[in-house]
Amino acid sequence: RKEVEQDPGPFNVPEGATVAFNCTYSNSASQSFFWYRQDCRKEPKLLMSVYSSGNEDGRFTAQLNRASQYISLLIRDSKLSDSATYLCVVNRAVVMRFGAGTRLTVKP
Amino acid sequence: DAMVIQNPRYQVTQFGKPVTLSCSQTLNHNVMYWYQQKSSQAPKLLFHYYDKDFNNEADTPDNFQSRRPNTSFCFLDIRSPGLGDAAMYLCATSSLDEGQGYEQYFGPGTRLTVT
Repeated sequence: RKEVEQDPGPFNVPEGATVAFNCTYSNSASQSFFWYRQDCRKEPKLLMSVYSSGNEDGRFTAQLNRASQYISLLIRDSKLSDSATYLCVVNRAVVMRFGAGTRLTVKP
Repeated sequence: DAMVIQNPRYQVTQFGKPVTLSCSQTLNHNVMYWYQQKSSQAPKLLFHYYDKDFNNEADTPDNFQSRRPNTSFCFLDIRSPGLGDAAMYLCATSSLDEGQGYEQYFGPGTRLTVT
């Protein structure tokens, strides 16, 4: 079993749609959680950290459920520029483990 | 200003010919990582340095080696590249100092082609 599992996607949504991504992790000792965004042929870039209390950054909302070992990302009012691969990332001590990513395409 | 720099951005090497990829950082982070990423796959951690301490992932082939001569620089050496080693190689840094986040900062990557 992979340490971090994500919805396989791809997600194809119209502009303005709300889309949610899910992620589960297997190691209960995991300490920090993140969503990264990766554009085609580019490096991953931090989108947001994820906290147990939930956190919001504009149109993006991230949630963490430690009991269920589950992380989510909600994107509201999707823009064309949101098209990318979204990587769920789980940190334990020095090492980060990446999910395989979920591809999102937002269409006009 | 670029904080994690990788050179070259594109590297073509011949099957079996040793190649070195380089990474430098201006963040003064104590941890540096090398990842391999193939198309439509997650970045796969090869190894990391915590200061001068080298940590190899259990499934990283012996063909891959690394050097970190100082805080700012880290190198990835592929001793005998095979066709299966063609990939994007990503360098990342992280600071584990108290009060700082654990997020990693990535360089732009080096795309390796093996002919």
